[in-house]
Amino acid sequence: EAGVAQSPRYKIIEKRQSVAFWCNPISGHATLYWYQQILGQGPKLLIQFQNNGVVDDSQLPKDRFSAERLKGVDSTLKIQPAKLEDSAVYLCASTRYGRGDAMNTEAFFGQGTRLTVV
Amino acid sequence: ILNVEQSPQSLHVQEGDSTNFTCSFPSSNFYALHWYRWETAKSPEALFVMTLNGDEKKKGRISATLNTKEGYSYLYIKGSQPEDSATYLCAHNNAGNMLTFGGGTRLMVKP
Repeated sequence: EAGVAQSPRYKIIEKRQSVAFWCNPISGHATLYWYQQILGQGPKLLIQFQNNGVVDDSQLPKDRFSAERLKGVDSTLKIQPAKLEDSAVYLCASTRYGRGDAMNTEAFFGQGTRLTVV
Repeated sequence: ILNVEQSPQSLHVQEGDSTNFTCSFPSSNFYALHWYRWETAKSPEALFVMTLNGDEKKKGRISATLNTKEGYSYLYIKGSQPEDSATYLCAHNNAGNMLTFGGGTRLMVKP
């Protein structure tokens, strides 16, 4: 099966500019996650979707970050305006819906988008 | 424990050494514990998904154990090789199907 696709792979922007990332999960995977990984730290969950509904966005800085998953498939993550501290790798992951089968909770990751804000 | 914690943060070993890392997680609302291997410039890749207390899984030279009652998991690498150099992430899956990651252990194996 095709993996999780993300684009772009790299992006360099100036602070206060806007940027958008795109993710196409594995076909049939109901759950989609966006993680932010700052250098030297583990991935931090930004938002989790179940189909096209938001399950958890408690750590999403909503004053500048937004995400959507229209039609329960592709997702976009936007930052507007970007700050220097947003420099990170943004990872998208998907899982099959896991309830009732813990083995279906394995996450499959895209290659990430490395964002540099200057 | 409220968060997922991993130790050590980084580790340098010589080729041939055996090593192990720790992942601590909340023992309440446990559903599954994941281990991932993340090489530079690649996607994190699943090593193990563990669900049962006392579980032990093995893949080649890498193995993992799970204690859900006390909330910890160990990852062991026997006879480390330079290609084992990576960041090893554990993630806790609660009953709500949310994956929470630890900070990772960065392993560097010197030839």
